[in-house]
Amino acid sequence: NAGVTQTPKFRVLKTGQSMTLLCAQDMNHEYMYWYRQDPGMGLRLIHYSVGEGTTAKGEVPDGYNVSRLKKQNFLLGLESAAPSQTSVYFCASSYEGAATGELFFGEGSRLTVL
Amino acid sequence: SQKIEQNSEALNIQEGKTATLTCNYTNYSPAYLQWYRQDPGRGPVFLLLIRENEKEKRKERLKVTFDTTLKQSLFHITASQPADSATYLCALFTGGGNKLTFGTGTQLKVEL
Repeated sequence: NAGVTQTPKFRVLKTGQSMTLLCAQDMNHEYMYWYRQDPGMGLRLIHYSVGEGTTAKGEVPDGYNVSRLKKQNFLLGLESAAPSQTSVYFCASSYEGAATGELFFGEGSRLTVL
Repeated sequence: SQKIEQNSEALNIQEGKTATLTCNYTNYSPAYLQWYRQDPGRGPVFLLLIRENEKEKRKERLKVTFDTTLKQSLFHITASQPADSATYLCALFTGGGNKLTFGTGTQLKVEL
């Protein structure tokens, strides 16, 4: 099994450009999450989804949009990138909710906004 | 404000010793606490989950304790090996919103 796959792994953007990060999981998980990880800040939840067609805001949702059109895919979009969005982005999925569900993480997408 | 504290300084220990990592939290009443391992350039990997009504959980060389009075979890690795070198993250679920809140992690280095 591939588990959780993120694309692209690296990307450099200029301020104001847009892009989409793709997360795909092959474990038939209901729950999917997007986190960002910054030095000294830990992982912070951006948006999450409890099933196909649903999305919800996490701790730091501003400047990001998400879509879950198919159960296996969770897309994270940046409409107008800003330098503050330079970070490593992790997608995760779980069979159960975050309380008792083991989160399976992807390998990360490193984004630099110039 | 709500806070999760893990020692930001790296913990260096000798091979074969027991490593003990600490996760302290304030202004939370977590129902569940999880520990993850993260290697450089990789995503976190789940290790253990402990519930608020459990005092201790074990898995092979790993042991986690959860003291809701002290608001602290301890993570132990016995007979540590260089392969155990990584950053270890604790994460709390406090109820609602499917939000798992992570600490910043503690880097463990096991030396020969």
